[in-house]
Formats: sequence, structure tokens, C-alpha cells
Amino acid sequence: EVQLVESGGGLVQPGGSLRLSCAASGFTFSSYDMHWVRQATGKGLEWVSAIGTAGDTYYPGSVKGRFTISRENAKNSLYLQMNSLRAGDTAVYYCARVGDGGSGGMDVWGQGTTVTVSS
Amino acid sequence: DIQMTQSPSSLSASVGDRVTITCQASQDISNYLNWYQQKPGKAPKLLIYDASNLETGVPSRFSGSGSGTDFTFTISSLQPEDIATYYCQQYDNLPPRLTFGGGTKVEIK
Repeated sequence: EVQLVESGGGLVQPGGSLRLSCAASGFTFSSYDMHWVRQATGKGLEWVSAIGTAGDTYYPGSVKGRFTISRENAKNSLYLQMNSLRAGDTAVYYCARVGDGGSGGMDVWGQGTTVTVSS
Repeated sequence: DIQMTQSPSSLSASVGDRVTITCQASQDISNYLNWYQQKPGKAPKLLIYDASNLETGVPSRFSGSGSGTDFTFTISSLQPEDIATYYCQQYDNLPPRLTFGGGTKVEIK
């Protein structure tokens, strides 16, 4: 079964750090681009970061310089290192696989892990 | 950055009705447009990719069309299990970045 499972969420104080993990199974992880997408409670979806099969990384301005996406193909794992966290980073974080279409459609998603930034 | 304007933000329709959602890009995005369904407490699910291609296993009552800046998502005959929020998402590849529309919450009348 093709599956993504996130972990590592929790409560962290403003200015703190957290590392999210995403374990992939059921497919050749190294062959796929991957994304992190987040969703604050009651809000829409927001793209957080992307990593290509070659390890190239991309971020929106809202997290650039604070978040770092990485992958470890030997462990079928995706990571998101989040530093200098703010209240506005509070959300459910999903990892997602990019499918075969040309427009970056994400065809496999994890169940999400919740990050709460609060004092 | 490319902005995506999705409308309406919510709608209420009867079972069997035809439902249409639109998404407008702030600039030409060719067919780099996807549609997702998200049910409460669940992860999004890809329904349509590359503007008009139905993802494997998705019922044929779902369809998408459009190119350039104007896109449409249609449910031909609304079913009770279609109650969800639907999002469009564009892909910009230079450099790679994604933008989601604001979402459309679909309810049964």
C-alpha cells in the first residue's frame, strides 16, 4: 500500500524549533518530488516547501530562511526542520507526493501532524 | 507571485444538481491546474490534474476544464458523499511553487 505517515508535531514556544518527519512506503520514494503543505484550523491550504528528486529545494517567502526541507532516500524519509517558529506557523502539516501529471498534482498525502506554537 | 481566485467560497445545492466552481489565475498558467477534495478532518484528495485529467479511481461525475487563466470544476450530479471543501491549485515551475485557491465549501440543500 502506498502510504505517507507524518510524525514530530507538538507544542513549541515561539522562537523554538521542531523537526517533522514523513515516512514513505509502498513506492520508490527516491523517484518522486515531495512537498509539505500546511493548514491552519478553519483555513485553507498553504504550500510550505518542495524538494526534487535531485535534492533541489523551494520555499515560499513566508518560511524561507526559517524552514528547511530535506530527504533521506535510504530511509524513505522526508523531513521539515522548522526554526524561529511563530504563532502563525500553527497548523496541521501534511507531506505529499507529486504525481505523474505535469502540473505538480499531489496524488498521495499523509494524515497530517499538528504543530502548535504557543507560550 | 501568481494569485488564484476561487469562487464561490461556499454553495448549497440539492442531490442530483450540477455544481460548478471556478478558479481564475492572475496570469497565464497554461494547464498547470489541479483540483482537490477535502473532507473534514481528512487530508486533501487529488481529483483532477493538468486542468482536465481525471485521477485514477475518481468518479466520472467530476470533471475539469480550462486553460490560461480561467478554469472550471464541475460535479455533474451532486451526491451526498461529495460534501466537502474543494480547492484549486496552480503550479509555477520557474521557480517551482504552488498556490492554492481559497476553497469552496459544498453543502447539501
